Amino acid sequence: DSGVTQTPKHLITATGQRVTLRCSPRSGDLSVYWYQQSLDQGLQFLIQYYNGEERAKGNILERFSAQQFPDLHSELNLSSLELGDSALYFCASSVRTGEYNEQFFGPGTRLTVL
Amino acid sequence: AQKITQTQPGMFVQEKEAVTLDCTYDTSDQSYGLFWYKQPSSGEMIFLIYQGSYDEQNATEGRYSLNFQKARKSANLVISASQLGDSAMYFCAMRETFQETSGSRLTFGEGTQLTVNP
Repeated sequence: DSGVTQTPKHLITATGQRVTLRCSPRSGDLSVYWYQQSLDQGLQFLIQYYNGEERAKGNILERFSAQQFPDLHSELNLSSLELGDSALYFCASSVRTGEYNEQFFGPGTRLTVL
Repeated sequence: AQKITQTQPGMFVQEKEAVTLDCTYDTSDQSYGLFWYKQPSSGEMIFLIYQGSYDEQNATEGRYSLNFQKARKSANLVISASQLGDSAMYFCAMRETFQETSGSRLTFGEGTQLTVNP
């Protein structure tokens, strides 16, 4: 158990819908990262927050948005869902941003868009 | 942009033997970090080992060691005394830091599927 929690574990929804994925980082970690893992794209970085502020952005679609709250948990919102958004979404956390030597992943949320 | 290359889509090893999983990287940064993760069939990503670009000694964590050759830009994972439970997908990743925001991210390779045979 990495200490990073993600809910829900599985999510099945229809095209055009909107979902919210939730992540709680390890105790003491200020930095949260979101990644998407799909068969065709592999593991891709989406976005990073550090202590409530966005610090890095990757290949995140405009239909996707995220935020980190004062209690440090984070949410990833996916809207106007398409079939191609079906993937495993990971949240990860680290103590700090910039240079760190550990980044721990949550168990992931498996999203299926039908 | 940083790039990670894992050239072995699949590897097989006998139980109790050692195995090396290859990873090469490309970056123009002087400071970077290299990570290895294990992903079993259940799907979670398990952090295994880290090597900093300025670390002079190769990292070791139990049966895992990282063979870091900076001049060759390689960071191979060595698993000693393989166990059946080591069968999984293994990912090499590089940490990239953005000076302007102090942000960072991991860039992953495509992974190597390791199968340990009894």
